[in-house]
Amino acid sequence: SAVISQKPSRDICQRGTSLTIQCQVDSQVTMMFWYRQQPGQSLTLIATANQGSEATYESGFVIDKFPISRPNLTFSTLTVSNMSPEDSSIYLCSVHGGVTDTQYFGPGTRLTVL
Amino acid sequence: GEDVEQSLFLSVREGDSSVINCTYTDSSSTYLYWYKQEPGAGLQLLTYIFSNMDMKQDQRLTVLLNKKDKHLSLRIADTQTGDSAIYFCAENAGGTSYGKLTFGQGTILTVHP
Repeated sequence: SAVISQKPSRDICQRGTSLTIQCQVDSQVTMMFWYRQQPGQSLTLIATANQGSEATYESGFVIDKFPISRPNLTFSTLTVSNMSPEDSSIYLCSVHGGVTDTQYFGPGTRLTVL
Repeated sequence: GEDVEQSLFLSVREGDSSVINCTYTDSSSTYLYWYKQEPGAGLQLLTYIFSNMDMKQDQRLTVLLNKKDKHLSLRIADTQTGDSAIYFCAENAGGTSYGKLTFGQGTILTVHP
């Protein structure tokens, strides 16, 4: 199984600022995924991050708002830009387990925007 | 597009079995997953089933898949208070959607002593 860590685990931010969330995996993976879980809601995929290419965003999410970096096969960052209270959510990093076809999630970053 | 539906609440007594149901619409789903989320915690992968299987058992957990009706269920035997959590089913269509999951709304399981 993959072990995923995220930093920070939680943060409280002011409207208009930006926050960068880090995701570290204990093994090399081709694709990393960023999900959002709004309060009391299910999870929604934001984007897929591939090493060496631009991230692929899902409908409703744009690069200017959620820029993603993927500098190597074990690390990715997601930035939430120009935040508003509507961005208050849990942001989760995820990886696919390869041959086992399992999908693992990090512990999440709980973001509150005031 | 893909859609995954779950009942929102389930309440059981400790020691009873719990059955959480899920329906999905994407007939190309290759893998279906069950995740557990405890309050303030991340997602824990409980089990998963490949679409060519009907059933998978793992200790107290039994997953049943009816591909014709696009219905998935998770049975927890001898439910304990520690099983109280939100349970999400999710589908992975595979192919070009490799690794992308569509989640249900989650079922809040409450276990009473």
